Amino acid sequence: DTAVSQTPKYLVTQMGNDKSIKCEQNLGHDTMYWYKQDSKKFLKIMFSYNNKELIINETVPNRFSPKSPDKAHLNLHINSLELGDSAVYFCASSLRQGNFDEQFFGPGTRLTVL
Amino acid sequence: GNSVTQMEGPVTLSEEAFLTINCTYTATGYPSLFWYVQYPGEGLQLLLKATKADDKGSNKGFEATYRKETTSFHLEKGSVQVSDSAVYFCALSGSARQLTFGSGTQLTVLP
Repeated sequence: DTAVSQTPKYLVTQMGNDKSIKCEQNLGHDTMYWYKQDSKKFLKIMFSYNNKELIINETVPNRFSPKSPDKAHLNLHINSLELGDSAVYFCASSLRQGNFDEQFFGPGTRLTVL
Repeated sequence: GNSVTQMEGPVTLSEEAFLTINCTYTATGYPSLFWYVQYPGEGLQLLLKATKADDKGSNKGFEATYRKETTSFHLEKGSVQVSDSAVYFCALSGSARQLTFGSGTQLTVLP
């Protein structure tokens, strides 16, 4: 009964490949997010998405794209992977997109680009 | 824009010591403030939050008070345990309705 789940947990791939990370939440939340955590533990928001609005952090390269087949899923697609994409990626969700709302995080996907 | 500045780590304490992790913020309007904790190999979990000035958030012996006059939200615990070893993140949610995180503070508690 995991609240926010991600697959895979580890992803090792070559530069130039295209890969996807899946995220699912069973909390009935309206809003989902993707974060990137670098090797120094710094967390940066990449996207937030609900059924009305996609907000993209302007610093995110357009090689990264979120895809939401339904309200419970927000997958992250990455094209033409680069060495600098190596990081831990976290999916999160919240009930709404209000500033009081707690975000629930998945366990993370460690991406290594060789 | 919004920003959060956290005290740099790592912080190493002995069990039962007093903990303070400083956090200050810059934001327009009236942000909500949060502390999240990340245990090794896991995602972040909400530790506590405060949504308006002078609110005190508390959980598991940790507490933090929203101080608008000093734009601070320092995390404190009177007596830390080995199981508190983790990375602690201060964060705010403002008018953009997105979380802005501090850089994280690694805490290690020794028995």
